[in-house]
Amino acid sequence: DIQMTQSPSTLPASVGDRVTVTCRASQSISNWLAWYQQKPGKAPKLLIYDASSLESGVPSRFSGSGFGTEFTLTISSLQPDDFATYYCQQSNTYSFTFGPGTKVDIK
Amino acid sequence: EVQLVESGGGLVKPGGSLRLSCAASGFTLSAYGMNWVRQAPGKGLEWVSSISSSSTYIYYADSVKGRFTISRENAKQSLYLQMNSLRAEDTAVYFCARGRCSTTCALDSWGQGTLVTVSS
Repeated sequence: DIQMTQSPSTLPASVGDRVTVTCRASQSISNWLAWYQQKPGKAPKLLIYDASSLESGVPSRFSGSGFGTEFTLTISSLQPDDFATYYCQQSNTYSFTFGPGTKVDIK
Repeated sequence: EVQLVESGGGLVKPGGSLRLSCAASGFTLSAYGMNWVRQAPGKGLEWVSSISSSSTYIYYADSVKGRFTISRENAKQSLYLQMNSLRAEDTAVYFCARGRCSTTCALDSWGQGTLVTVSS
């Protein structure tokens, strides 16, 4: 089975910061990677698919990159609404394995 | 507007059964693969099961294989998860999610979730 890891697990940040979250797969998944944002008590929201494609309606300050085993989610200028937990997810195999999550909180 | 509404959660004893439902609206269910994802209290997301648009392909996480059964009725715009032999570790909020596949697949719409609590 493919395992997903994320770093860091917690990321203290301030409004206006450039924020980067890293996701690694235990084996190559090509570009079969998505990123989600989740706020407490809410369902996850798709941000990025195909590793680097921005989902419709998602602000352009969010971007994704990577291929194979290493991927990044970048928020170019953190906004108050962006404090949340972010999950990567692979769909290369016939399952949707999630990473453990990265919580972006207030520094 | 795409909408997914889960129901059927509740309190059940270990070893018991529960059937979750997900009512879809705003899109044609038969055109999409569907999924169940769960989240234990204070924990991360865990994929549970997937079913293809015409039920041809079905997959389960190892943690639920042999105990849970996913199904769908496209004519009723409904997705189901039959959960048997429930354990304390199955306690979680269960989300249904629509799978969208282009080059790759992602879960582009989610319900609000239904809470399943397994406790004596």
